[in-house]
Amino acid sequence: EIVLTQSPATLSLSPGEGATLSCRASQSVSNFLAWYQQKPGQAPRLLIYDAVNRATGVPARFSGGGSGTAFTLTISSLEPEDFAVYYCHQRSDWPLTFGGGTKVEIK
Amino acid sequence: QAQVVQSGAEVKKPGASVKVSCKASGYAFTKYGMHWVRQAPGQRPEWMGWINAGNGDTKSSPKFQDRVTITRDTSASTAYMELGSLTSEDTAVYYCARGHSPFLRDYFTHWGQGTLVTVS
Repeated sequence: EIVLTQSPATLSLSPGEGATLSCRASQSVSNFLAWYQQKPGQAPRLLIYDAVNRATGVPARFSGGGSGTAFTLTISSLEPEDFAVYYCHQRSDWPLTFGGGTKVEIK
Repeated sequence: QAQVVQSGAEVKKPGASVKVSCKASGYAFTKYGMHWVRQAPGQRPEWMGWINAGNGDTKSSPKFQDRVTITRDTSASTAYMELGSLTSEDTAVYYCARGHSPFLRDYFTHWGQGTLVTVS
């Protein structure tokens, strides 16, 4: 099974600052990586798919990058509604797997 | 707009089974896959399995392969996930999530609201 490792576990930032989240895969997943945002008590929401493509309705301040085993999610300028937990997810191989998450919290 | 709505919370005894339903609306049910993902408190999401709502093909994670059954009723646009031999470690929120396509290796574009299953 492909293991996804996210870093850091927690990011403490202020609104208006930029954020860079990392996801590393235990083996290449090509570009078959997605990012989800999850707020307390809610289901995850798809943000980025195939490493770089924004899902429908996702603001342009969210961008994805990387390929192979190293990926990033960048939030250019944090809005109050962006403070949440972010998970990466690979669809390259069965079973599908998720990373452990990065919590973006208000400093 | 596409939407999936799940059945309500369940409380089960150890050793029992639970069956969660997921009703789809606003899209052609048989043209997409439906996945089941669970999330224990404070843990990462965990993929359990998938069904191609069109032809009924299924695939489950090795972790759940012996205990999970995923089915669908096309006339009701509803998918089901049944998990047997429950233990306290199965206490979690269970989500259904529609795929981007009918296929197994996919992303999840539309999520249900979650069903809390408590085993106690």
